[in-house]
Amino acid sequence: GQNIDQPTEMTATEGAIVQINCTYQTSGFNGLFWYQQHAGEAPTFLSYNVLDGLEEKGRFSSFLSRSKGYSYLLLKELQMKDSASYLCAALDSNYQLIWGAGTKLIIKP
Amino acid sequence: DVKVTQSSRYLVKRTGEKVFLECVQDMDHENMFWYRQDPGLGLRLIYFSYDVKMKEKGDIPEGYSVSREKKERFSLILESASTNQTSMYLCASKGATGTHYEQYFGPGTRLTVT
Repeated sequence: GQNIDQPTEMTATEGAIVQINCTYQTSGFNGLFWYQQHAGEAPTFLSYNVLDGLEEKGRFSSFLSRSKGYSYLLLKELQMKDSASYLCAALDSNYQLIWGAGTKLIIKP
Repeated sequence: DVKVTQSSRYLVKRTGEKVFLECVQDMDHENMFWYRQDPGLGLRLIYFSYDVKMKEKGDIPEGYSVSREKKERFSLILESASTNQTSMYLCASKGATGTHYEQYFGPGTRLTVT
């Protein structure tokens, strides 16, 4: 079956760095997405990886290892506004998204 | 900027009522999706459409139907609402079929069925 695993909740301190992990098992693979979702709002796109390696975009970076079925989202210089849920989703062979349950990130001052 | 709008942010309906949730996108996207989101379960795909008048079942289509008469509009219908359909409903759209393009989401409709 197809499956995405990510931690349910994480806590970090303002100004620090946090890494949110995601492992996936899909029928075929056409890339991995990370979305951010603030409470009561729509998910918004953060990143897309299809090749192995790290992609950096400002304070946020996303890493992919296709051989390990593993990705992480790295958030640096955490700000209070980064408190949100982070959704990992893998694109399968039919270009359908398989979604994880999301990781709720709590930032403490 | 892509804009996806949904007809209501909050909706309260009674068991057995017919419920219509409307979604409109303004970017001429071919693909549109309806999801429900429940705590601890993530986004679950109800139906999607890759063209006008075309629809495909997602993972949890039971109790729902959809309509896509115009490219910009995708409607989700609950023929006879039940309490287990209380949820957040999210609509999304995406450009060309069979691509890695990201999905753009509407603000969501929080539906409560009493």
